[in-house]
Amino acid sequence: AQRVTQPEKLLSVFKGAPVELKCNYSYSGSPELFWYVQYSRQRLQLLLRHISRESIKGFTADLNKGETSFHLKKPFAQEEDSAMYYCALGRTSGSRLTFGEGTQLTVNP
Amino acid sequence: DGGITQSPKYLFRKEGQNVTLSCEQNLNHDAMYWYRQDPGQGLRLIYYSQIVNDFQKGDIAEGYSVSREKKESFPLTVTSAQKNPTAFYLCASSIDLANNEQFFGPGTRLTVL
Repeated sequence: AQRVTQPEKLLSVFKGAPVELKCNYSYSGSPELFWYVQYSRQRLQLLLRHISRESIKGFTADLNKGETSFHLKKPFAQEEDSAMYYCALGRTSGSRLTFGEGTQLTVNP
Repeated sequence: DGGITQSPKYLFRKEGQNVTLSCEQNLNHDAMYWYRQDPGQGLRLIYYSQIVNDFQKGDIAEGYSVSREKKESFPLTVTSAQKNPTAFYLCASSIDLANNEQFFGPGTRLTVL
């Protein structure tokens, strides 16, 4: 069975501080991991996916298969990063996604 | 304006009534999905469809029904059998089931009075 865990429901940091949103997964096959973000009054949108290995809005995430983690990191948080973040797990062969419970990030001025 | 639309934005229903939420996409995507979003529980999959006239139950299908008569449309009916229907409902689509990148609609907030 696929499972995604985001241990922090709420995370609060100050502007300019580093931020790390944790995501752990369980899946026996070959996973594909995503981070989705939902800003206030906007629709849920893809932030990044591990296979693209991109940095989007200063965020990066590395898939660690040994630790079964896909933590989202940004070295210097900005106020506009305040949003709900969801980690999601799929199969490389494609299929439905399994979402984590979400982490509400607040960046304080 | 391309993308996924959901209507209405807010919906109120009396107990015992069925209600249908609309989801339309003009992205030419084969796969469509319905999720329920509750605080602290993330997104839970209700139903999904990978092609017209085909759909599969997700994790929490009880009390819900869907149809997929057209590629562009995937309406969700919340029946009176759904014990706790008040929630935020999200529709999504992807090119096909093999492509994991999903695009989401703006959502419908359903409140049962």
